[in-house]
Amino acid sequence: AQTVTQSQPEMSVQEAETVTLSCTYDTSESDYYLFWYKQPPSRQMILVIRQEAYKQQNATENRFSVNFQKAAKSFSLKISDSQLGDAAMYFCAYRTRGLNSGGSNYKLTFGKGTLLTVNP
Amino acid sequence: ETGVTQTPRHLVMGMTNKKSLKCEQHLGHNAMYWYKQSAKKPLELMFVYSLEERVENNSVPSRFSPECPNSSHLFLHLHTLQPEDSALYLCASSQDGTGANGYTFGSGTRLTVV
Repeated sequence: AQTVTQSQPEMSVQEAETVTLSCTYDTSESDYYLFWYKQPPSRQMILVIRQEAYKQQNATENRFSVNFQKAAKSFSLKISDSQLGDAAMYFCAYRTRGLNSGGSNYKLTFGKGTLLTVNP
Repeated sequence: ETGVTQTPRHLVMGMTNKKSLKCEQHLGHNAMYWYKQSAKKPLELMFVYSLEERVENNSVPSRFSPECPNSSHLFLHLHTLQPEDSALYLCASSQDGTGANGYTFGSGTRLTVV
């Protein structure tokens, strides 16, 4: 079974600075997807960025980028020019890319989350 | 508006009550999910529906009963719950059963069992 570990329960950053959130995962599969989700106080989980394991190039979305190290099974999220609106709980998630129908192929496995505080 | 709407937003129920949570999406997605989010724990997948057929029941107690009458609606029927069932219940949908593009989540129902 896959597991996702976020070793930082809480992080803080000054507005306009850069912060990196850590995520490691354990899997025996070679092809999969990795995601970062953001959950603000409104409780809605919002997809921040997505990485396909077979792509070596790190994904980027505006101020958000990842450092994907497949051999190390590491998937960190970097937030540049942090803004007050970035304050939220951030979850790393894993999903198999298996094409078989049903079962655990549908499952997104989440880490416990990192609470990010942005200080003005 | 997220595209996935959950009602009610908050629910307090006694252990002998019967209630239902509702989830609705009009994104054209054909897979829908129930997740349980408890404090200090990872999100737990409860049920998966693909094309209105249940494809996963992740060892969830029978006091939770899902229903998917069509591809746009998903319910979670609750009866004789326990205080430890208090949590945030999140509904999600995806474009297809692979979920390759991630899920779209609702804002959840905060359930308190007293």
